[in-house]
Amino acid sequence: ETGVTQSPTHLIKTRGQQVTLRCSSQSGHNTVSWYQQALGQGPQFIFQYYREEENGRGNFPPRFSGLQFPNYSSELNVNALELDDSALYLCASSQTVGGYQETQYFGPGTRLLVL
Amino acid sequence: TQLLEQSPQFLSIQEGENLTVYCNSSSVFSSLQWYRQEPGEGPVLLVTVVTGGEVKKLKRLTFQFGDARKDSSLHITAAQPGDTGLYLCAGGGVLTGGGNKLTFGTGTQLKVEL
Repeated sequence: ETGVTQSPTHLIKTRGQQVTLRCSSQSGHNTVSWYQQALGQGPQFIFQYYREEENGRGNFPPRFSGLQFPNYSSELNVNALELDDSALYLCASSQTVGGYQETQYFGPGTRLLVL
Repeated sequence: TQLLEQSPQFLSIQEGENLTVYCNSSSVFSSLQWYRQEPGEGPVLLVTVVTGGEVKKLKRLTFQFGDARKDSSLHITAAQPGDTGLYLCAGGGVLTGGGNKLTFGTGTQLKVEL
């Protein structure tokens, strides 16, 4: 059984650019959540995908968007990057069965630096 | 907006000492989880508590969920250097689409020195 993997591990972009981060969920998991963790803070919920649909969203602007694919892997896209977008982006996968979502397991994250 | 405040924010202690980390909120959570995060890695789940007043023990770690399910504490006995890390509490909440999201606390950075 493989755990949650994310790519790339590190990324440097400049203001105004666009970025795509990728997440492969743990084997057997159908739900993916994305979190943003600024330096020295706790993670903040961005959104969640279940069966390729957005299942809920945190307080993030529309330039943060996502996708989930039939194999349950997921992408996080951020347009028009701002300096404050510099953070560790975490993906968490879980299994949802009968409307009940089980424990979320986190990947190692992608460290994004916006210059 | 549900907020979770953790205290202390930073803690530096000697090996063998005991410590307690607190997690407080004005909101009620259906469940509360504690995670430990090391540099360059994602948070790793330590425990989930769901019942008000619940106490769970994991070796030298003792977790307690408040009776009103608004607060929690993590107590470490005889801390070791391997306990060093960022400790995060997280409250479970229901999404409009039916899933669950985690609301994380502000974090407590623990350093245990020899």
